Amino acid sequence: AQRVTQPEKLLSVFKGAPVELKCNYSYSGSPELFWYVQYSRQRLQLLLRHISRESIKGFTADLNKGETSFHLKKPFAQEEDSAMYYCALKTGRRALTFGSGTRLQVQP
Amino acid sequence: DGGITQSPKYLFRKEGQNVTLSCEQNLNHDAMYWYRQDPGQGLRLIYYSQIVNDFQKGDIAEGYSVSREKKESFPLTVTSAQKNPTAFYLCASSTRDRGQTEAFFGQGTRLTVV
Repeated sequence: AQRVTQPEKLLSVFKGAPVELKCNYSYSGSPELFWYVQYSRQRLQLLLRHISRESIKGFTADLNKGETSFHLKKPFAQEEDSAMYYCALKTGRRALTFGSGTRLQVQP
Repeated sequence: DGGITQSPKYLFRKEGQNVTLSCEQNLNHDAMYWYRQDPGQGLRLIYYSQIVNDFQKGDIAEGYSVSREKKESFPLTVTSAQKNPTAFYLCASSTRDRGQTEAFFGQGTRLTVV
């Protein structure tokens, strides 16, 4: 069965500090991995996907198939990054499987 | 204005009553999904549909039912059999095109059983 694990419920950092939100998945095939973000009072939206290999709002994520990880990183956190972050896995025609989410708090 | 719309935003239900949550999209997406969001548990899949007149159970389908009579619409009924229905419900849609599988989400419906 496929599963996504986000071990941290809450991550609190100071503005300007580096951020790493952890995500591990279990799936034996070739997955599609995503990070979704939910800002306060806004709908859940896509932040980035591994196939694009892009940087969005300063965030990057690299798929490590050996470690089955897809950690989200940003070198310098900003207060506006405070939000709920979800890692998600898609396999074949199945729906997205989400992790339990990590709340990022960036303090001034 | 393209997007995915859920209604109502807030819904109150008495115990023992069925209630239907609406989800409409005008993105021409084939696939639609219902998730339940509870604090600390992330999003859990209730039902999904890859095409009109077809749908599959997700991980927590018990006590829920859906229909997919039109491409644009995927209503979710929370039945009296659902033991803990108070939650935030999210609807999403996506294409089935390979490499374009981003899911777009509605604003959600918060259901409270009173």
